[in-house]
Amino acid sequence: GDSVTQMEGPVTLSEEAFLTINCTYTATGYPSLFWYVQYPGEGLQLLLKATKADDKGSNKGFEATYRKETTSFHLEKGSVQVSDSAVYFCAQNRDDKIIFGKGTRLHILP
Amino acid sequence: DTGVSQDPRHKITKRGQNVTFRCDPISEHNRLYWYRQTLGQGPEFLTYFQNEAQLEKSRLLSDRFSAERPKGSFSTLEIQRTEQGDSAMYLCASSFGGGGRAEAFFGQGTRLTVV
Repeated sequence: GDSVTQMEGPVTLSEEAFLTINCTYTATGYPSLFWYVQYPGEGLQLLLKATKADDKGSNKGFEATYRKETTSFHLEKGSVQVSDSAVYFCAQNRDDKIIFGKGTRLHILP
Repeated sequence: DTGVSQDPRHKITKRGQNVTFRCDPISEHNRLYWYRQTLGQGPEFLTYFQNEAQLEKSRLLSDRFSAERPKGSFSTLEIQRTEQGDSAMYLCASSFGGGGRAEAFFGQGTRLTVV
């Protein structure tokens, strides 16, 4: 069935480091893809999305490109901040259901 | 409107008791979703509504679980005869319209602990 696989955490980086969180999906067809973020004590928030192949979603310095050929949607940021510490979820929307990966916890050290 | 709200935020119950959670979606949103999230896992889809119609239920939703959205506005999720395995965060989300592109907005969840 449709699924999302993302790299396991926790990921620990120093401030201003480059971030990549890998995400791949399996689906029949072409779902929309999302990254959601959950900050400590808060609800899930949509970070960015892409609805078709080669689309690039971006927000708050984060980017992800919908790669149909590799079925991937890796999240990147050029220079992370302490405030980026959170849990990040890759997800796909197929037939009106959002299917989430297990999440990757990110710790940024000052 | 400040977003999706869920009540209560926390619930501790004894095994075998019934519990009911409420979700108030963003007012103009016609779609409402319930998810369950356990520690270290991503949210798992349970069910969703378009207006008052329940369109799909996951196999995760055993017959002890029932959800309603009687007037197409707020929704309730009831768990009967709770078990320890029901302990989780229950998330509600809403969106306007459907299809793959609609953005879902999540509430902060109800954390259920069954003792």
